[in-house]
Amino acid sequence: DAKTTQPPSMDCAEGRAANLPCNHSTISGNEYVYWYRQIHSQGPQYIIHGLKNNETNEMASLIITEDRKSSTLILPHATLRDTAVYYCIVRLPGYNTDKLIFGTGTRLQVFP
Amino acid sequence: SQTIHQWPATLVQPVGSPLSLECTVEGTSNPNLYWYRQAAGRGLQLLFYSVGIGQISSEVPQNLSASRPQDRQFILSSKKLLLSDSGFYLCAWSGAFREQFFGPGTRLTVL
Repeated sequence: DAKTTQPPSMDCAEGRAANLPCNHSTISGNEYVYWYRQIHSQGPQYIIHGLKNNETNEMASLIITEDRKSSTLILPHATLRDTAVYYCIVRLPGYNTDKLIFGTGTRLQVFP
Repeated sequence: SQTIHQWPATLVQPVGSPLSLECTVEGTSNPNLYWYRQAAGRGLQLLFYSVGIGQISSEVPQNLSASRPQDRQFILSSKKLLLSDSGFYLCAWSGAFREQFFGPGTRLTVL
């Protein structure tokens, strides 16, 4: 799995867009970008994934650069409940072991 | 829609006692299932995964075992708990693109 680099922490005002960057310069052509988050004392929550096209779902948008070496997760209208650690993972969907290896992630603090 | 259940939510057990944690998934068939453990302030550690009934792969040698008696049921067990078995145990299933969906977890404290 390709290595990812994320800022350790970010702040965002409630109601504003939260843009969380992730660098993955060693990504290979068929590796996907996945985003998860973990709210304190809860299990990880899948947010979104993508290969090369931008993706949007009810939770967030994922913008992947044309060279695929970086991506941005966008929470369009952050709420206090979005305060969590956000993890960017790059991996190839496999058929056997699919263990998730979380890095240190970005701790997003949404403030009123 | 798919849902995943785990129970119990919390558990306090003495050292040397047995353990049985259960995970069930609804709304999907033949899912890949996973057991993870997260120690306090630490990352996820994959313990077991299963691609089908009766098929269990262990990631790390340890005091725990897993079983999958039914398609959507995954059980984590131990005959004798150790202090080091304390942690947050998470069950997950994976979708078509191997995105993983986690259950609410069981917080185990071994005293």
